[in-house]
Amino acid sequence: QQPVQSPQAVILREGEDAVINCSSSKALYSVHWYRQKHGEAPVFLMILLKGGEQKGHEKISASFNEKKQQSSLYLTASQLSYSGTYFCGTDKGNTPLVFGKGTRLSVIA
Amino acid sequence: DGGITQSPKYLFRKEGQNVTLSCEQNLNHDAMYWYRQDPGQGLRLIYYSQIVNDFQKGDIAEGYSVSREKKESFPLTVTSAQKNPTAFYLCASGWDTANQPQHFGDGTRLSIL
Repeated sequence: QQPVQSPQAVILREGEDAVINCSSSKALYSVHWYRQKHGEAPVFLMILLKGGEQKGHEKISASFNEKKQQSSLYLTASQLSYSGTYFCGTDKGNTPLVFGKGTRLSVIA
Repeated sequence: DGGITQSPKYLFRKEGQNVTLSCEQNLNHDAMYWYRQDPGQGLRLIYYSQIVNDFQKGDIAEGYSVSREKKESFPLTVTSAQKNPTAFYLCASGWDTANQPQHFGDGTRLSIL
């Protein structure tokens, strides 16, 4: 079951914040976040394991609520380099990742 | 430098033709994956392999075939049975555990002539 990402697209000005959500109808063991620039390979951002942890990566952080089967990616003080499509990948434990359809983020000056 | 190499970067297929996409990794990863990416669809799993000489179908395996004869190689063949092969194909590898990331190649863009 493909996780649902929201919003599908968002446009930000430099310095603004954004939140990208990832929801699953199945119980999750972990959530992975990746960012992809157009025509390039997805780049790993972070993994969250069940336990409700929150992780950070520069000005990008994420949370994982296993009870709600949701994860959120937080981008603060966005930079032009943050533009791209963000994908969440969910794992039920010992199964391949299932990726959402992605959220297209555009940061403008 | 360790990484995943996909080739070719661009590939064109004629009607009725099989084509093979190459994927090689030198990261010593056990697991390898093939994804298809269409606009607005995210990454959809075609096949994956957790160990040499074994592989499993993903969500959209019809019209594709794979082999895993060596740990570092996982080629994907797009057969003539795949009627809509135009897409961006991504290969990935990883340690096949939930707490480790997947590493992606740069992709192959396949088009119909």
